[in-house]
This record gives sequence, structure tokens and C-alpha cells, in this order.
Amino acid sequence: GAVVSQHPSWVICKSGTSVKIECRSLDFQATTMFWYRQFPKQSLMLMATSNEGSKATYEQGVEKDKFLINHASLTLSTLTVTSAHPEDSSFYICSARDRTRWNEKLFFGSGTQLSVL
Amino acid sequence: SQQGEEDPQALSIQEGENATMNCSYKTSINNLQWYRQNSGRGLVHLILIRSNEREKHSGRLRVTLDTSKKSSSLLITASRAADTASYFCATDGGQAGTALIFGKGTTLSVSS
Repeated sequence: GAVVSQHPSWVICKSGTSVKIECRSLDFQATTMFWYRQFPKQSLMLMATSNEGSKATYEQGVEKDKFLINHASLTLSTLTVTSAHPEDSSFYICSARDRTRWNEKLFFGSGTQLSVL
Repeated sequence: SQQGEEDPQALSIQEGENATMNCSYKTSINNLQWYRQNSGRGLVHLILIRSNEREKHSGRLRVTLDTSKKSSSLLITASRAADTASYFCATDGGQAGTALIFGKGTTLSVSS
């Protein structure tokens, strides 16, 4: 079955540093990938839609200069949390649509737990 | 953005009992999906029901969908301690560029 690989699975960093999270579709091509954020005991909130070869679309309230998204190929999207602060500590999870089966379920990565000290 | 509410927010039951969770949504959908998430872990896809379906079964899971009321329910029969998790519904507009929008979730606790 289709697999989405996300790493790192967890990262601890100092305040002010940048952290990059990778989301890779292993056996399918994904024109579109999605990034979610989840705070403890809350639901998943869509942050942005990553489009291959074009700019990402950000949800209202998400700072595009803080959360940089790059989708340079049909199998890789990256989310960079720039100048991370403790309030950015959260669980980040990506998902992808198989462009040949776009009407089927999305595939999710296993998530990245970010802790900013 | 989130679609709507899940009901109840938390549910505690004994092993062997049935658990029912409800989900309401606001916009038109192509399909609705249910996911499980164990604490601090990734999502597990449980079941997908399309807008032209009314009921679907998978093992101990039964999902219903009422598009006229914009609501869905997930029934877990004969629950087990291992079913303890958070459960989320997510709606899919069905277009290639659209994301799943998640409900707020129900936290299920099954005690033995």
C-alpha cells in the first residue's frame, strides 16, 4: 500500500533555531501534500496545502514566513519552522494524495513531535 | 479550520460494551473518514464512507452517514481495552487539491 514517510519523528531544539521536517511519498506521486499541526488534547488543524512546483497555500492565521513549505518534487514536501519558539512546540503531521487516485483516502506520515526549549 | 463538533468529547465504558461517537459537519462532502489516534502517535485510518453510501461495516466498526443532516456516527461493538484512543472524523471535499478537515474528536477510554 501507499506509504508516506515523515522524519524526523521527534526533534528537540533551542529557541531561535530552525527545524526542517520532511514528508516523502514512497511509492506514489503526490501533486498535493498537506501539513497539519496538533496541540496536546486537540484535533488536527490544517496549516497549509503544498503544491508541487508552486507556492503553498496557507490557512488563515498561519504565518507563511515562519512556516516555510517547499514542494520541489512530486514525492517530497518540506516544512521548515524558522526561528522556532516554545509556542511552536507541537505535533506536525503531513499527508498526501496519490494523484492517480485523488478520490481515495489521503495517506498520512507518522508525525513529528517538535519540542522547542 | 474545522468542520464541526464530535459528540461526545469524552466517553468512558467497560470492556464488552458498545461505543457510539457522532460527528457533524458543515459543508458538502465527497466522503467522510474516521481515524483513530493513540496518545502521541500517528493516525490510523479506520473507514471511509462515500456521500452516496448510508452505512458501512468493517469488523467491529459500523459507520453511518446522513448527508441530509450532515452527520455521521461510528459504532464500535464489543469494545476492548485496546480501543482506548482518540477518534476523529474527517471530511473530504473530494477534489485533488483539497485537504481533509478534521472534527474535534472523541476520547474513548475502555476499562477492563
